[in-house]
Amino acid sequence: AQRVTQPEKLLSVFKGAPVELKCNYSYSGSPELFWYVQYSRQRLQLLLRHISRESIKGFTADLNKGETSFHLKKPFAQEEDSAMYYCALDSNYQLIWGAGTKLIIKP
Amino acid sequence: KAGVTQTPRYLIKTRGQQVTLSCSPISGHRSVSWYQQTPGQGLQFLFEYFSETQRNKGNFPGRFSGRQFSNSRSEMNVSTLELGDSALYLCASRTGTGGNEAFFGQGTRLTVV
Repeated sequence: AQRVTQPEKLLSVFKGAPVELKCNYSYSGSPELFWYVQYSRQRLQLLLRHISRESIKGFTADLNKGETSFHLKKPFAQEEDSAMYYCALDSNYQLIWGAGTKLIIKP
Repeated sequence: KAGVTQTPRYLIKTRGQQVTLSCSPISGHRSVSWYQQTPGQGLQFLFEYFSETQRNKGNFPGRFSGRQFSNSRSEMNVSTLELGDSALYLCASRTGTGGNEAFFGQGTRLTVV
C-alpha cells in the first residue's frame, strides 16, 4: 500500500540549531515527493519537490530510495520556520499525505 | 495571478442536510482536487477532476460527490450530512500534468451540528 509516515507529531528546537523532519514512504515505482508547509493562518504551500533539488529558505531534502526516506533538513533553524510541515507522495493524480510535524523554534 | 478561491469560507449545517462547496482554480489550471482535513485523520484525498472528468476518487462514501465545469471551476457536494463530516475541505489546483506543484485554497470550514 502507498503510505507516507512522519513519525514526529511535534519537534521543538532552539533557534540556530539544526533541524531534521523525518519522512518515510511506501511506494512501488519511482516516487514523486513533496514537502508542503503551513504557516499560522496561511494556506498550504509548496516548500520543496524532490525533482527540482532546490534549497528553499535554507531547507533541503534528499530522496533516499534505499531507505525510502525524504527527510527535510536545515542547518540553522530560524524562528520564522515555526510551522506545520507535511510530506506528500504524488500518485495517480492524488497527493498522499503524512500526518504532519509541528515544528516549534524556541528563541 | 489570482490564487485558488474557495467559497464559502465557513458553513454551519444540520445533520441530514446537504452542502455544496465551490472552488475556482488558478487560471489555466485544468486539474482540481479536493481534500478533507481533520485533526484525527489528517489530510485525505476525496477526488480529482481534469477537464471535467474524474480521474481518481478516494475512499469516501457515495454521499460525497463532485463535478468540474468547462471553465475548470469545481464543486463538491455532501448529502445527508453527518457529524463526522465536520472538517476543513481544501481544494487544490494544478496544471494537470504530472509531478507539478499543487496550489491550495484557504479551505471551507464545515461544521455539522
